[in-house]
Amino acid sequence: QVQLQESGPGLVKPSEPLSLTCAVSGYSIISDYYWGWVRQPPGQGPEWIGNIDHNGNTYYNPSLKSRLTISVDTSKNQFSLKLSSVSAADTAVYYCARVATVHTYYFDSWGQGTLVTVSS
Amino acid sequence: SYDLTQPLSVSVALGQTASITCGGNTIGSKNVHWYQQKPGQAPVLVIYRDNNRPSGIPERFSGSNSGNTATLTISRAQAGDEADYFCQVWHSIAVVFGGGTKLTVL
Repeated sequence: QVQLQESGPGLVKPSEPLSLTCAVSGYSIISDYYWGWVRQPPGQGPEWIGNIDHNGNTYYNPSLKSRLTISVDTSKNQFSLKLSSVSAADTAVYYCARVATVHTYYFDSWGQGTLVTVSS
Repeated sequence: SYDLTQPLSVSVALGQTASITCGGNTIGSKNVHWYQQKPGQAPVLVIYRDNNRPSGIPERFSGSNSGNTATLTISRAQAGDEADYFCQVWHSIAVVFGGGTKLTVL
């Protein structure tokens, strides 16, 4: 059974980059699935950040694209997120998830999430 | 951009049927997915591609999608079904989520 676990700093200063890693266990990242990031600001609905496949092909939310880099490390079975120049608006719980890709895209397994607060 | 509209809240009596809608322009032409999220927990997929249940999701959960509205139906509602529910589609080049509906079981 696939398991995903986010890791990274819980506090980031404004204008600095936010970096998170998602470790995948119980399933090879080299598969027909994509791997994605979703965030959820406190009290709000989810917001898609972006997806990546095991070849490193990326699909980004247009509203975040200019600040976003998602990468994959197949040797470690993990993928990562880097969001530059953060502000308070980037404060959210960040989830990594496995993305099913048959005819559409949806998130069939999720990590537990990690709260990232942007504050000085 | 593409907007998905959900009611902020829906209430259902214990044991009765709850319907949660997700409105979008010609959403019937898209695949709609639904997630359940309980406080402090990650979302859980309950319906994918309009009307398919992942393993482990009770048959009480079902979905439909036509025209401009997709619907998640929860039959014989239980106290444990109380949660936020989000719809989601893939539109053009982006994943879009609805704003979410809080289901209260009375």
